[in-house]
Amino acid sequence: QVHLVESGGGVVQPGRSLKLSCAASGFTFSSHTMHWVRQAPGKGLEWVAVISYDGSNKYYADSVKGRFTISRDNSKNTLYVQMNSLRGEDTALYYCARGGEWNLLNWFDPWGQGTLVTVSS
Amino acid sequence: EIVMTQSPATLSVSPGERATLSCRASQSVSSSLAWYQQKPGQAPRLLIYGASTRATGIPARFSGSGSGTEFTLTISSLQSEDFAIYYCQQYNNWPRGMYTFGQGTKLEIK
Repeated sequence: QVHLVESGGGVVQPGRSLKLSCAASGFTFSSHTMHWVRQAPGKGLEWVAVISYDGSNKYYADSVKGRFTISRDNSKNTLYVQMNSLRGEDTALYYCARGGEWNLLNWFDPWGQGTLVTVSS
Repeated sequence: EIVMTQSPATLSVSPGERATLSCRASQSVSSSLAWYQQKPGQAPRLLIYGASTRATGIPARFSGSGSGTEFTLTISSLQSEDFAIYYCQQYNNWPRGMYTFGQGTKLEIK
C-alpha cells in the first residue's frame, strides 16, 4: 500500500526558514518523480516543485523559485523541501505527491495528508 | 504558462442526477489532463488521467472526455459521497509551468 507522510510544518516568522519532509513507503521510491503541492486556507491547489526520480532535474513554480529547494534521499525514501525567506503568502497546507515512474510529465497519485505551514509574526 | 479554467464554480445537483463539469486550457495540452476529487479535510484523490482513463478503484459512474483545450468530467448518477470539490490539472507544458490546476468546481447538493 502506497503511503506518503509529511512532517515539519509549524508556525514560523516571516523571513525565516523551514524544512518539510515526506516519508514514502509501499513503492519503489527511487524510480518515481515526486512533487510538492500547496493549498492556502480555503483556496485551490498550487503546484510548488518537482524532482526527478534520481534528483538530477528540479523545477519550481515562479512563486517559490530562488527561495525553495526540493531534494530527495533515495536511501531513506524521503522527499524534502527547504523553504527560505518565508512570506505570509506561503501559508498553506503542503502536500507531497507521487508522480510518474521515470517520467516528469505525469499525473499525481497518491497524495499525502499534508503538513500545515503558517507564516506569521 | 497554461491557464486552466473550470466552470461552473459551483454546481448544484440532486442525488441520482448527472453532473457535468468543464475544464478549458488556454492552449492545447493534448490528452495530458487529470481530474481530482477533494473532500473537506482530505487530500485530493486522483479520479481520471490521460483525459479519460479512470484511476484504480474509481467507480464507473465517473467518466472523462476531451482533448486539446476542452475537457469534461461527467458523474452519471450522483451519490452522496460525490459531493466535493473537483480540480482539473494539465501536465503537458514543458519545461515551464509544467503542472497547473484549475480553480476548482464545488459540487453541492441541490
